[in-house]
Amino acid sequence: GAVVSQHPSRVICKSGTSVKIECRSLDFQATTMFWYRQFPKQSLMLMATSNEGSKATYEQGVEKDKFLINHASLTLSTLTVTSAHPEDSSFYICSAQTGSVPEAFFGQGTRLTVV
Amino acid sequence: GQQVMQIPQYQHVQEGEDFTTYCNSSTTLSNIQWYKQRPGGHPVFLIQLVKSGEVKKQKRLTFQFGEAKKNSSLHITATQTTDVGTYFCAGYNNNDMRFGAGTRLTVKP
Repeated sequence: GAVVSQHPSRVICKSGTSVKIECRSLDFQATTMFWYRQFPKQSLMLMATSNEGSKATYEQGVEKDKFLINHASLTLSTLTVTSAHPEDSSFYICSAQTGSVPEAFFGQGTRLTVV
Repeated sequence: GQQVMQIPQYQHVQEGEDFTTYCNSSTTLSNIQWYKQRPGGHPVFLIQLVKSGEVKKQKRLTFQFGEAKKNSSLHITATQTTDVGTYFCAGYNNNDMRFGAGTRLTVKP
């Protein structure tokens, strides 16, 4: 199946710094990428949907100035957590879809810890 | 907007018992997908149902899509310890994909 690579898998950062998470589709063109946040033992919470070349659509309650999403190409989307705080600590997962198949392919996730 | 409800939130079974998780959408779906997330892992696609009333089987797993294409179920027969994890449904309609809250399954050997 299609492969989505997410990097880094784990990151620890200091409060107030910014962290960038990359999501790459390795063998297909991802017209749409989704970013999720998952709290321990809870469901996936959709943060935003991004289409290549256009601005991301953020879900209600998600601060777009804090969670910057860039989908600059058909194989790469990035999520930047700006001015991170301990409450931003979470598991972030991206998923990618092609235009022809609705199945979502997930990255491995990034465990962010803000200290 | 579209909402997908999934129950139960947790299910603990004895190995060998059956398990079922249910999903219900507030809107008619184009398709519904099921994912499994092992502890510490990421969601992995299991199956997609498209047709009204569709039933698909994967070994001990049986997936059903309701006639109205608004609800779905995943049934596991004779659970094994390898079945542990969280099972998510995801309803898809008009380029909008929404996940249910997931059902966390634990299996006691």
